[in-house]
Amino acid sequence: DAGVTQSPTHLIKTRGQQVTLRCSPKSGHDTVSWYQQALGQGPQFIFQYYEEEERQRGNFPDRFSGHQFPNYSSELNVNALLLGDSALYLCASSLEHLVGGYTFGSGTRLTVV
Amino acid sequence: QQQVKQSPQSLIVQKGGISIINCAYENTAFDYFPWYQQFPGKGPALLIAIRPDVSEKKEGRFTISFNKSAKQFSLHIMDSQPGDSATYFCAASGYNAGNNRKLIWGLGTSLAVNP
Repeated sequence: DAGVTQSPTHLIKTRGQQVTLRCSPKSGHDTVSWYQQALGQGPQFIFQYYEEEERQRGNFPDRFSGHQFPNYSSELNVNALLLGDSALYLCASSLEHLVGGYTFGSGTRLTVV
Repeated sequence: QQQVKQSPQSLIVQKGGISIINCAYENTAFDYFPWYQQFPGKGPALLIAIRPDVSEKKEGRFTISFNKSAKQFSLHIMDSQPGDSATYFCAASGYNAGNNRKLIWGLGTSLAVNP
């Protein structure tokens, strides 16, 4: 199929550690956005990547960083994990300047203990 | 400041009834209004969307009504089924000052359809 693929699906980390989450966008999409969704809340925009550059950023600290590769896949890195970073991390892909909905992956459930 | 206001926060409907979720926006530059459906533990999935030049769009049991002058839009789920029980998010999309397309989310509505 070619939907958005995220890995891993679940992850448990210790406070202070670092984590890397991965996303492969839907076939044909070139833009990747990352969201954090706490339990019972709506998705909060972290940042967006296009042409391997961070193009937009939400209100998240520098501990959150990312990367986009030439094949449009993307990584989200979080350093110095805090308990409050526990959430569902969602990757969404889209096509630049095409008015249309984002396609979301199923997310990575991160638990920080 | 919440640019897209969604109500109600939660909704309980009997099977076969009509579920109605409302959203209001502020920025007239928005040009695309999607609704997403999210089941627990899953990512949001695009349900239906509308452009501001259309007042209504219907796909199966799901209908979006759009009122441009009032800056409001709503989702109607006809003949609601227990399988429709999920969280629904409205959103609005448009270009920001940096000419980048941005998606602004409502806070979500938790829908429960009783059998």
